[in-house]
Amino acid sequence: QVQLVESGGGLVKPGGSLRLSCAASGFTFSDSYMSWIRQAPGKGLQWVSYISRSGSAIYYADSVKGRFTISRDNAKNSLYLQMNSLRPEDTAVYSCARVSFDYYMDVWGKGTTVTVSS
Amino acid sequence: EIVMTQSPATLSESPGERATLSCRASQSVSSNLAWYQQKPGQAPRLLIYGASTRATGIPPRFSGSGSGTEFTLTISSLQSEDFAVYYCQQYNNWPPWTFGQGTKVEIK
Repeated sequence: QVQLVESGGGLVKPGGSLRLSCAASGFTFSDSYMSWIRQAPGKGLQWVSYISRSGSAIYYADSVKGRFTISRDNAKNSLYLQMNSLRPEDTAVYSCARVSFDYYMDVWGKGTTVTVSS
Repeated sequence: EIVMTQSPATLSESPGERATLSCRASQSVSSNLAWYQQKPGQAPRLLIYGASTRATGIPPRFSGSGSGTEFTLTISSLQSEDFAVYYCQQYNNWPPWTFGQGTKVEIK
């Protein structure tokens, strides 16, 4: 079945880095747009980043621009989020999502938890 | 950036009752509006896209309506599994994609 599984979260100190991964299965990953969305504790959903099928189009939320980098490896059916210069306000559950051809998020992973704290 | 505002923040209803959730956009998003359901510890699940089209496998008690700036999600008869948090999202003007702050539907 269609599935997205995130990994790579953990506890990191402010200013540190983490690389999140998202493993896709059950659909043609290379034909799919993808995004990262996060949810801070007790808060709502916040879109973080988007990447097109080939990686030629990439967008970031202003709050992470210049610090986070989205990428993908279509041969490995995997999506990534490199997070640098992490701040306490980046603490959240990070989920990857497939973006439909009409640009809503139609499949979501359960997420991986990132905690930024000293 | 389009701001999405949901009301109420919390809705207390009994099983079998009708629930009506509202979502307002700060500017027109046409019909490019999705609704998601999220239960504790679970990923959000797509319920509605195009403001009124149910996603695959979503029961007919869920219905969406509206266009422009005003939208409604209606659950015609609440089942125990429907008590959750519901989010609306616009995908008309992006980036960024923006979500409402959520409506929690709780058991009365």
